[in-house]
Amino acid sequence: SYVLTQPPSVSVAPGETARITCGGNNIGSKSVHWSQQKPGQAPVLVISYDGNRPSGIPERFSGSNSGNTATLTISRVEAGDEADYYCQVWDSSFNQVVFGGGTKLTVL
Amino acid sequence: EVQLLESGGGLVKTGGSLRLSCAASGFTFSTHSMNWVRQAPGKGLEWVSSITSSPTYIYYADSVKGRFTISRDNAKNSLYLQMDSLRAEDTAVYYCARGGSGSYPDDFDYWGQGTLVAVSS
Repeated sequence: SYVLTQPPSVSVAPGETARITCGGNNIGSKSVHWSQQKPGQAPVLVISYDGNRPSGIPERFSGSNSGNTATLTISRVEAGDEADYYCQVWDSSFNQVVFGGGTKLTVL
Repeated sequence: EVQLLESGGGLVKTGGSLRLSCAASGFTFSTHSMNWVRQAPGKGLEWVSSITSSPTYIYYADSVKGRFTISRDNAKNSLYLQMDSLRAEDTAVYYCARGGSGSYPDDFDYWGQGTLVAVSS
């Protein structure tokens, strides 16, 4: 089955740029979605279809997808961005939704 | 306002059954696919099952195939998950999530707050 690989943790200082990667075989041929989950809360979609921001999501959040890596970029990071981030794709070969293992973003 | 409210979680013995429900409001339920995603304590998200709007297509994770059954009642704006032959590893918070209108699961744009299922011997 398809595997998505995320770094367990990423740390960044306030005001800097955080980049969270999601690796998968030829992931550039798939649509990647990103969700944010804060402690004790349900996930929230922050990026859909590689780089689209749902209504209400700040412009600081952006996404890209090419080759074997998709990237969630958070510019001008704020303390409130501290959360777990998950990438997600549809694997049409096995008809399964696949989530990455999640990345914990820490704001120093 | 889109709202998804899960119910039906609880403590059940190994091998037992449980039926989860998700009541939807604030959108046209019959035009969206719906999904169940779970999260074991301290772990990441794990997709469980999806059902398209009609429901023409139904999909399951390998870990629950043959034990769980997803269904929906568009007249009642409700999604269900019948869970049989429960195992300890099914212990998790179960989330209901809204999908798009396509023939396969795409982005999950709204999530419920989840319901806890605990399986113990």
